Amino acid sequence: GDSVTQMEGPVTLSEEAFLTINCTYTATGYPSLFWYVQYPGEGLQLLLKATKADDKGSNKGFEATYRKETTSFHLEKGSVQVSDSAVYFCALTHFGANSKLTFGKGITLSVRP
Amino acid sequence: DVKVTQSSRYLVKRTGEKVFLECVQDMDHENMFWYRQDPGLGLRLIYFSYDVKMKEKGDIPEGYSVSREKKERFSLILESASTNQTSMYLCASSSQSTGKSNQPQHFGDGTRLSIL
Repeated sequence: GDSVTQMEGPVTLSEEAFLTINCTYTATGYPSLFWYVQYPGEGLQLLLKATKADDKGSNKGFEATYRKETTSFHLEKGSVQVSDSAVYFCALTHFGANSKLTFGKGITLSVRP
Repeated sequence: DVKVTQSSRYLVKRTGEKVFLECVQDMDHENMFWYRQDPGLGLRLIYFSYDVKMKEKGDIPEGYSVSREKKERFSLILESASTNQTSMYLCASSSQSTGKSNQPQHFGDGTRLSIL
């Protein structure tokens, strides 16, 4: 079956540091890939997505590129802010599967001033 | 903006009680989902529904049931609550896939349920 593996956390960074959160997946075919973010006390929000190989999703300064050859979808941001402190989830779905998502375990990011 | 509303942010119930968690979405979405979120385990799908009166089991359906009598409302039912069902419960909705791309899921703010 499908699976998503995220790097172990938590991650603590200083403001303006460079961020990379690793995500790799196992799936048949060509899934769509997502990053969701969960701010404290809230539900999940879609951060960005990519639907085919070599697509780059971007939003709020975050980027991730769909790498079919390495089955990866790593999240990056050039300069993090305190307001980026949250839990980040990588997820995948297959087209036509009624949007059923497979999630990674999530990673907590804390950014200190 | 899509709004997914869960009826309670915090809920405390006793072992053996029948518990109802309610979720309403206002965007006429066909698909609705119930997850539980636990530290170190991420999100796990309990049940989902792709149409009124339709339901399918997710990865961890044991001890739960669901009801979807109206398109906008999806209820999660704990038939006889147990302490191992203490968790954060998240509801989500999405529209049907279009073209070659799936539509993203939109989440409610969650219900933190404690079973004593």
